[in-house]
Amino acid sequence: QKEVEQNSGPLSVPEGAIASLNCTYSDRVSQSFFWYRQYSGKSPELIMSIYSNGDKEDGRFTAQLNKASQYVSLLIRDSQPSDSATYLCAVKMNTGFQKLVFGTGTRLLVSP
Amino acid sequence: DGGITQSPKYLFRKEGQNVTLSCEQNLNHDAMYWYRQDPGQGLRLIYYSQIVNDFQKGDIAEGYSVSREKKESFPLTVTSAQKNPTAFYLCASSTDREETQYFGPGTRLLVL
Repeated sequence: QKEVEQNSGPLSVPEGAIASLNCTYSDRVSQSFFWYRQYSGKSPELIMSIYSNGDKEDGRFTAQLNKASQYVSLLIRDSQPSDSATYLCAVKMNTGFQKLVFGTGTRLLVSP
Repeated sequence: DGGITQSPKYLFRKEGQNVTLSCEQNLNHDAMYWYRQDPGQGLRLIYYSQIVNDFQKGDIAEGYSVSREKKESFPLTVTSAQKNPTAFYLCASSTDREETQYFGPGTRLLVL
């Protein structure tokens, strides 16, 4: 089992719809979770971090964390074509330093 | 502007040649990281450094070397022992307390 798993996609949604991206992780004691957006040929940029169970909202983005089920998700409301990118889930593992383990990413395509 | 810079943007390596990728940050971050990204794969940790003059191997350190003589700089050398160096190399940094990692723009290494 991979430490962090994401569906590679592509996930296709029409403009204005809600895009839902999911991530599961294997380490039960993980405490910190991150979503990064990566445009083709560019480096990842942080969208959100989440540490507690429940929802965390930032503009059109909502991160959801369920530690009991070991999954974290990212919802993008009112999806725009500019949201088309690969979304990487990263989980801080229970080690002595800030080791992040990344999923392979989900490619999102938003059609006009 | 505060940020992380990487150079060059593209780098070509001849067989048997060592090449060095530059990473500089002016964010006053203590920790710095090097990742490798291959198509369809997540980011894999090569080396990391939590403080000056100290660094540790990550998951795929073979064929790579680093130094951390200054807080701002963490260069990565891809040695001739790395038989499959073609990839997108990403440098990141974080503060000692904050777990969020911020990425530089990346260097794409190609083999001639």
